Parts: sequence; C-alpha cells; structure tokens
Amino acid sequence: GAGVSQSPSNKVTEKGKDVELRCDPISGHTALYWYRQRLGQGLEFLIYFQGNSAPDKSGLPSDRFSAERTGESVSTLTIQRTQQEDSAVYLCASSRGGGWADTQYFGPGTRLTVL
Amino acid sequence: AQTVTQSQPEMSVQEAETVTLSCTYDTSESDYYLFWYKQPPSRQMILVIRQEAYKQQNATENRFSVNFQKAAKSFSLKISDSQLGDAAMYFCAYSTSGTYKYIFGTGTRLKVLA
Repeated sequence: GAGVSQSPSNKVTEKGKDVELRCDPISGHTALYWYRQRLGQGLEFLIYFQGNSAPDKSGLPSDRFSAERTGESVSTLTIQRTQQEDSAVYLCASSRGGGWADTQYFGPGTRLTVL
Repeated sequence: AQTVTQSQPEMSVQEAETVTLSCTYDTSESDYYLFWYKQPPSRQMILVIRQEAYKQQNATENRFSVNFQKAAKSFSLKISDSQLGDAAMYFCAYSTSGTYKYIFGTGTRLKVLA
C-alpha cells in the first residue's frame, strides 16, 4: 500500500512569507505527527493528532506555527512570517493508533529553505 | 530529561564487513520501545528494527541485529555483510509508556566503501 506522502518536496521562500506543508498519512492510520529536523540534528517533535481528539501542540516553537488535520486524513502545517531559523526538513509520520507501542511510519519530508 | 546519545557522528565500513553503531539512552521508565531508523539521501525514514524493553532477547532483522543492554541503557545496531545500499544516516529513538513522542538521537552517518 501507499506510504506517507508529503508535498512539496522542496520549498524555497523569502523571509516573512507564509508557507504551507502538506502530509497525506497512510490510509487507516489514526495518528499523525509532525517533526522538524535541523541540519545535523535529530528529529524534534512539533505536533500530534489522534482521531478527533484535541491535538497536542506542545512542540510548536512559536505561535507562527500551526497545523490542522481534517478527520483522519490530510494534515497541513503552516508557518507564518517565516524566519531563516525555520529552515529545516519537516517530516510527517503516521501510526495505526496513537499509542507508545505503535510504530511511526515517516514520509520523505519537505525541505524548507528561507532566504 | 529523557535523552538519546549517539556518540559516533560518522562511521565507515568496508563492503561485506560488519559495523556496529552505538546508542545510549536515559529514561526512568521501565516500559519502553527502542528503534533504529535509516534515513538515506532520499530523506525517507525507514524503520530498521525495534526492540521491546521487557524482552531480553535481542531483536534481529536479516543482516541487522541489536545488542540491548537494559541495565547499561545501551542499544547498539550491528550491520553484517554491509552493502552499498546501507549507506545512510541512522537514528536511534525510543518511546515510553504514557507518551507517543519519540525521542531521537542526533544520528550516525554510515559510509560503505566499495
């Protein structure tokens, strides 16, 4: 079956512009996660969606970051007024359930470059 | 604080040889899962192997195996008969009971020499 897909693959934007990153999880997976991967670093948790429950936004670095998910399908991560420090790869993952024992499956990420 | 440490930023191995990537972690939980993910240049994170903390037997997956030392909080990955396609970044991670968040290390870049 299809894996997690993300678009665009690469995004170059100017400082101050808004960007939207999209994630399509694996069909049937109720949980969806966003991570940020800065150059040379590990993955940093941003936000978590589980079914119709309120999302866990505790990892979002500032109020310029927001995310939405419609039901158990597509999610969009929005970064407003982008800054150069937002440059990173943004990875999305999904899992069958949202439990700690559920394996997360990752998409290929979106590389964001803020000039 | 919960942390994962990968002390080897880069490793090299000759094709067909064996290499071991190290990982140590710090958690006060008794129930947790440990993971090794591979990230090739395509950026696609691929699950290589996972280990349940309450299982003493080390997980294996074809040429990949782990050495899990719970008391030492160590979780190393051994790659046997290395192949050119094994070249990638390897990340160690864990998840603990009561949370869905994975905690990742900073990764080890593996180069495979022909």
